[in-house]
Amino acid sequence: NAGVTQTPKFHILKTGQSMTLQCAQDMNHGYLSWYRQDPGMGLRRIHYSVAAGITDKGEVPDGYNVSRSNTEDFPLRLESAAPSQTSVYFCASRLAENTGELFFGEGSRLTVL
Amino acid sequence: GENVEQHPSTLSVQEGDSAVIKCTYSDSASNYFPWYKQELGKRPQLIIDIRSNVGEKKDQRIAVTLNKTAKHFSLHITETQPEDSAVYFCAATSYSGAGSYQLTFGKGTKLSVIP
Repeated sequence: NAGVTQTPKFHILKTGQSMTLQCAQDMNHGYLSWYRQDPGMGLRRIHYSVAAGITDKGEVPDGYNVSRSNTEDFPLRLESAAPSQTSVYFCASRLAENTGELFFGEGSRLTVL
Repeated sequence: GENVEQHPSTLSVQEGDSAVIKCTYSDSASNYFPWYKQELGKRPQLIIDIRSNVGEKKDQRIAVTLNKTAKHFSLHITETQPEDSAVYFCAATSYSGAGSYQLTFGKGTKLSVIP
């Protein structure tokens, strides 16, 4: 039981490039979410999903896309990266949207030059 | 939407002393208040939580208190140890409409325990 697994842990890309951060959970959780963490800003939710086929915008969704084709996976895509997207990204899962502990992945540190 | 304010942003204490971190929230309907600890370079992890029908909860050296009337909740760490050094986040869950819930985090408190 690995919990929430994120890849890659580190990545550098140039302005305008695209990339996908991968997230997978093996706890059969319905709720999955992406957060970004910036110094002095806490954790801000980007997008979330309450079940396969359902996604919704969080607090800071601009510049990001997500999809949820099954229970386990919830990739986050940056279509055209900008320096403002330099951050640490966390995928997090929960049994349901309003139930139980929020489990975080190990994080992905993304630098956009 | 919900707004969570957390204070102080940094806190230094001597080993063995107590540490208190305070948070206020804006939505009186919020009903779940977790606290997360994040060690340097690691993921946030839940250390304690409290629901709105409870005023206080303890787990060994850690306790959380909730004052619903004043809309604030606090984390208390007693007999601090160097391994308590980390960033602590408070959070509040509130209903954000259309069947959706939001877990809103405070901006964090960096706790340093000086040996």
